[in-house]
Amino acid sequence: AQSVTQLGSHVSVSEGALVLLRCNYSSSVPPYLFWYVQYPNQGLQLLLKYTSAATLVKGINGFEAEFKKSETSFHLTKPSAHMSDAAEYFCAVSLFGNQFYFGTGTSLTVIP
Amino acid sequence: DTGVSQDPRHKITKRGQNVTFRCDPISEHNRLYWYRQTLGQGPEFLTYFQNEAQLEKSRLLSDRFSAERPKGSFSTLEIQRTEQGDSAMYLCASSFEGGSNQPQHFGDGTRLSIL
Repeated sequence: AQSVTQLGSHVSVSEGALVLLRCNYSSSVPPYLFWYVQYPNQGLQLLLKYTSAATLVKGINGFEAEFKKSETSFHLTKPSAHMSDAAEYFCAVSLFGNQFYFGTGTSLTVIP
Repeated sequence: DTGVSQDPRHKITKRGQNVTFRCDPISEHNRLYWYRQTLGQGPEFLTYFQNEAQLEKSRLLSDRFSAERPKGSFSTLEIQRTEQGDSAMYLCASSFEGGSNQPQHFGDGTRLSIL
């Protein structure tokens, strides 16, 4: 069963515009949620994580995400896109202490 | 913190050959994970270790795939009799033990190309 769904495999924004990358999860237990970024030919780098302490989570590079239980969502946002934000972004859910499930990713293009 | 290190970065081999990849986790981490990532997809979980014990291996793709972590430090992933479909990026990650809230730290991966 698919645990994480990322809507939109490709997102393009203008430099300086709002970035919104969508992630919805399915889980019968409270999940732990993560956003990772991947640059070409590199591994994944953690942007932020939700571990139930606060619903609005701030991460690195100006990104933040809000956990909404009623919507089973954990969308990633950034107020103003930079050229250096162009990369692949993955949402992930951690279940049962040992299993990570990743979404299929969203490729972000920033247009100058 | 030297990060997770994977070797080699690239591997090109002929179909039918065996390949082995190495992963050195962050030294303080006792959990180590292997993933496969194909083009346009997210990482796909394969197996994981806690110290030297392999606690989950049912999601290894076939019996051609095997992993070891003999002393609880570095790990190897071996693919025997490689097939065209094995071409992918193989990622290693490590984390502290401590439940679902521990983020995983990834290496830069080994890209496998099967000729």
